[in-house]
Amino acid sequence: AQSVTQPDIHITVSEGASLELRCNYSYGATPYLFWYVQSPGQGLQLLLKYFSGDTLVQGIKGFEAEFKRSQSSFNLRKPSVHWSDAAEYFCAFNTNAGKSTFGDGTTLTVKP
Amino acid sequence: KAGVTQTPRYLIKTRGQQVTLSCSPISGHRSVSWYQQTPGQGLQFLFEYFSETQRNKGNFPGRFSGRQFSNSRSEMNVSTLELGDSALYLCASSLASSGTSSYEQYFGPGTRLTVT
Repeated sequence: AQSVTQPDIHITVSEGASLELRCNYSYGATPYLFWYVQSPGQGLQLLLKYFSGDTLVQGIKGFEAEFKRSQSSFNLRKPSVHWSDAAEYFCAFNTNAGKSTFGDGTTLTVKP
Repeated sequence: KAGVTQTPRYLIKTRGQQVTLSCSPISGHRSVSWYQQTPGQGLQFLFEYFSETQRNKGNFPGRFSGRQFSNSRSEMNVSTLELGDSALYLCASSLASSGTSSYEQYFGPGTRLTVT
């Protein structure tokens, strides 16, 4: 079955520390991959996307993600976390335009 | 360019009632998708409309329906509301032209529906 797995429900990091959020997908081919961020009571904001080509993609707010075909992974990273990064992060894939499949999300807490 | 807008932002309804939610996509976007977000089930796809036609449908009962107008604005209707319908309903739009832009979705702020 097609699915997205985010193994970490909750992650806490100190401000200024590096961050990596994990995402694994299950699909017969390489889907289009996305990371979104959601602040409380808000909609989802697109952070970055991967369609093809360079496996390291840059996004907004200093985030980047690396696609690894051999591991079916698309992990999100940030070198130095800011308190404003505290939010919920969703990994998603899209193989059928207009229909995305989302992971369960990872809640990020940033310690001062 | 204005983003995706959804109205109303908050709604309280009673079991058995029906509700209509509205979504205006980004100008030029022709695809509108709807998602339900709950703490227990996460983000679940409801349906997608493109050029006034339902193109994709998720696994929701027939009480959930939608439509799209010629200006790409979309409405979602839920009839005979149940307590379990309490959720954040998110609308997303995409350009839906050929190529990868059709897969890139932009979300509105959502409508928080509470059923009592």
